[in-house]
Amino acid sequence: SQTIHQWPATLVQPVGSPLSLECTVEGTSNPNLYWYRQAAGRGLQLLFYSVGIGQISSEVPQNLSASRPQDRQFILSSKKLLLSDSGFYLCAWSPGGGNQPQHFGDGTRLSIL
Amino acid sequence: GENVEQHPSTLSVQEGDSAVIKCTYSDSASNYFPWYKQELGKRPQLIIDIRSNVGEKKDQRIAVTLNKTAKHFSLHITETQPEDSAVYFCAASKDTDKLIFGTGTRLQVFP
Repeated sequence: SQTIHQWPATLVQPVGSPLSLECTVEGTSNPNLYWYRQAAGRGLQLLFYSVGIGQISSEVPQNLSASRPQDRQFILSSKKLLLSDSGFYLCAWSPGGGNQPQHFGDGTRLSIL
Repeated sequence: GENVEQHPSTLSVQEGDSAVIKCTYSDSASNYFPWYKQELGKRPQLIIDIRSNVGEKKDQRIAVTLNKTAKHFSLHITETQPEDSAVYFCAASKDTDKLIFGTGTRLQVFP
């Protein structure tokens, strides 16, 4: 069966520091991969998605970036964190081909001080 | 682009009563509609989904209905229990790799 791993579970970072969140999927090949951000008590904001290695689509302008160096690895990065980057970051995967359910990781709760 | 509206934003019911959450979508070409449940501090989990070739789908106490003409779909939870308390998100998709999510409904089931 397929599993998705996301780490770390919680992270506290100072303003201006770099960020790297990692997500990996097991048990499937060529998945679609997604990064979402969720502010406290709010909905899901799609940040990036990828349909293949090196293919990244950005949904909103921001100081975050994403990379997919391997088929089942998706990384969210920032060179300099802002206070507004605080939130709950969720990675998700789905089978390719469109109109498929997305399955979420356990999330990373990021607090910026 | 597609837009999904979800109502109500909060819903309180007595244990054993039914709960209904409704979503409307703007793009008539949308053809896949999943529902997610998110407990406090946890990840969203898929609970049921429906495709446009079906009008209703049921899984134990949970059912989803789809009205393509009116462009809305609804989640029905019968015999609610305290463990049904969570935030529920609907979503829509049309042959793409992206889901467009609604804004969520916070359901509280009081014992």
